[in-house]
Amino acid sequence: KAGVTQTPRYLIKTRGQQVTLSCSPISGHRSVSWYQQTPGQGLQFLFEYFSETQRNKGNFPGRFSGRQFSNSRSEMNVSTLELGDSALYLCASSHNRVDSSTDTQYFGPGTRLTVL
Amino acid sequence: AQRVTQPEKLLSVFKGAPVELKCNYSYSGSPELFWYVQYSRQRLQLLLRHISRESIKGFTADLNKGETSFHLKKPFAQEEDSAMYYCALLQGGSEKLVFGKGTKLTVNP
Repeated sequence: KAGVTQTPRYLIKTRGQQVTLSCSPISGHRSVSWYQQTPGQGLQFLFEYFSETQRNKGNFPGRFSGRQFSNSRSEMNVSTLELGDSALYLCASSHNRVDSSTDTQYFGPGTRLTVL
Repeated sequence: AQRVTQPEKLLSVFKGAPVELKCNYSYSGSPELFWYVQYSRQRLQLLLRHISRESIKGFTADLNKGETSFHLKKPFAQEEDSAMYYCALLQGGSEKLVFGKGTKLTVNP
């Protein structure tokens, strides 16, 4: 089956603008998580959505927000972009964690955001 | 607070040599630990998880609660093992993964 897809793959924005990134999970997966990856901080958890509800949130400012649609597709939005927001943004999808011994997060290829 | 530490940013070994990638964690609870791998120009993927106690591509990892470690080992490294390896801890009751900074493994011919 098709893997996690993310669009766009690359994005260039200027400071102060806003951006929306999209993630389509694997068919049947209801949980979508977002991560920010930078050389300095590594992989950091942004938030997780399940059945259109945010279940967990990382330590990021309110400029970072997200949502999930009824088909489990998710978007994240960053407003008032700063230079430090330049990063690779990854999303991951998984089933409901009923059976944690087999549930796995599958990652997308990421969206490379550059803020000038 | 949960924390995952991978002390080596870079690790270089020769083909056929044993390899050990270190991972230490800090977590007040029963940890659920994973190793993820990212090969060149590929996406991040799960290598193995401690709960299943399996060997994948010759790699094994044992959870040592006394030493709070989850080191990844392979007795005979292969060139195709060259990749970035991330140790990760799953925060209890959530999908939140806390990642280490990663170790870049290079296996030389």
